[in-house]
Amino acid sequence: DAGVIQSPRHEVTEMGQEVTLRCKPISGHDYLFWYRQTMMRGLELLIYFNNNVPIDDSGMPEDRFSAKMPNASFSTLKIQPSEPRDSAVYFCASSGRGAYEQYFGPGTRLTVT
Amino acid sequence: AQKVTQAQTEISVVEKEDVTLDCVYETRDTTYYLFWYKQPPSGELVFLIRRNSFDEQNEISGRYSWNFQKSTSSFNFTITASQVVDSAVYFCALSEEGSNQFYFGTGTSLTVIP
Repeated sequence: DAGVIQSPRHEVTEMGQEVTLRCKPISGHDYLFWYRQTMMRGLELLIYFNNNVPIDDSGMPEDRFSAKMPNASFSTLKIQPSEPRDSAVYFCASSGRGAYEQYFGPGTRLTVT
Repeated sequence: AQKVTQAQTEISVVEKEDVTLDCVYETRDTTYYLFWYKQPPSGELVFLIRRNSFDEQNEISGRYSWNFQKSTSSFNFTITASQVVDSAVYFCALSEEGSNQFYFGTGTSLTVIP
């Protein structure tokens, strides 16, 4: 079975550019989570969806970040405009039940110069 | 307040030694779940185990074992006869049935020296 798929795996962009990260959850999973991991702050939950509906976006840093889930098999996390402090590894995870284990994608390593 | 505390930031052991990673959690929910994840140097997060709050039985899987004690709010992870491939950052996590919130600890970096 395919796991969670994320693209791109690496992204290098210049400050001010728009960045779009993509995620395909495991088929049949109703929950999708976006995390950011940095050395300073560890793993932070940015937003999560249930049945394609955003449930909690309190972790989204600011208005420059937005996330969508147009259907059960696809989600995007967009940063516009990007800043150097957004440099991090962004993980997408999915779960069949909200409180159960989450399965993580390989992550997208974002570098903003 | 931290929901999940992993007091050990870094641990180094020599290959074949046993090592225990500590995890202490805090919750008022009666139904909750505890997890361990492994993050090897390659960066992916690998799910290892889920434990339900109503099941305090210890679990063993090969060289891995987990000790869940509600009385001390701990869910410790022991690796027996450690190997170099066990070198990774290990995260303990908690989720609460009522809120679907998932809380990760800060991780313990384990280095197994050959």
